[in-house]
Amino acid sequence: EDKVVQSPLSLVVHEGDTVTLNCSYEVTNFRSLLWYKQEKKAPTFLFMLTSSGIEKKSGRLSSILDKKELFSILNITATQTGDSAIYLCAVEGNSGNTPLVFGKGTRLSVIA
Amino acid sequence: GAVVSQHPSWVICKSGTSVKIECRSLDFQATTMFWYRQFPKQSLMLMATSNEGSKATYEQGVEKDKFLINHASLTLSTLTVTSAHPEDSSFYICSASGGFSYNEQFFGPGTRLTVL
Repeated sequence: EDKVVQSPLSLVVHEGDTVTLNCSYEVTNFRSLLWYKQEKKAPTFLFMLTSSGIEKKSGRLSSILDKKELFSILNITATQTGDSAIYLCAVEGNSGNTPLVFGKGTRLSVIA
Repeated sequence: GAVVSQHPSWVICKSGTSVKIECRSLDFQATTMFWYRQFPKQSLMLMATSNEGSKATYEQGVEKDKFLINHASLTLSTLTVTSAHPEDSSFYICSASGGFSYNEQFFGPGTRLTVL
């Protein structure tokens, strides 16, 4: 059964802290792993990862994929209150009954 | 807990036909269901929000006559893409919520629609 597990489920940090969010997965015929940020309505796309060991970076956010160990991490440095959101990880497979599997998300709260 | 399923997972259809996608909450009652569309490497685009027993609320730019949404029970919502065209080919993803908070959504696995 395809599945995505995110940890921690929730996290509270102070502004300026660095956080690491985890996403482990089991999926048939892995195609890509996606990270989203959800604040209000629709999740906002952050990164798509397809290859191991290549870090994707956007400002204070970065992410990397390990296809051997089947996990990805999302790092946020120098956190700000605007980073407070639910961060979703999803994995796309190439076959089977679950083309896109979402994790339950990590709820990040950044306090001043 | 909080499992959401979609059916079918993959569908290929001819241009001009209609396709129905089901979204079910398997182990909880979903008072609200959301339908999204996703293009590669883009954010999920919210199409509509449906509450059980009432008409769906469509986002601006989404044609309600083309994307028919029915939320007949607390565990089932359907999206029908009417008279599908190749430009409708996309990932359609539903999520379900037991409350009215956008922050408490559980996502289905998506349906990959290809219109020939």
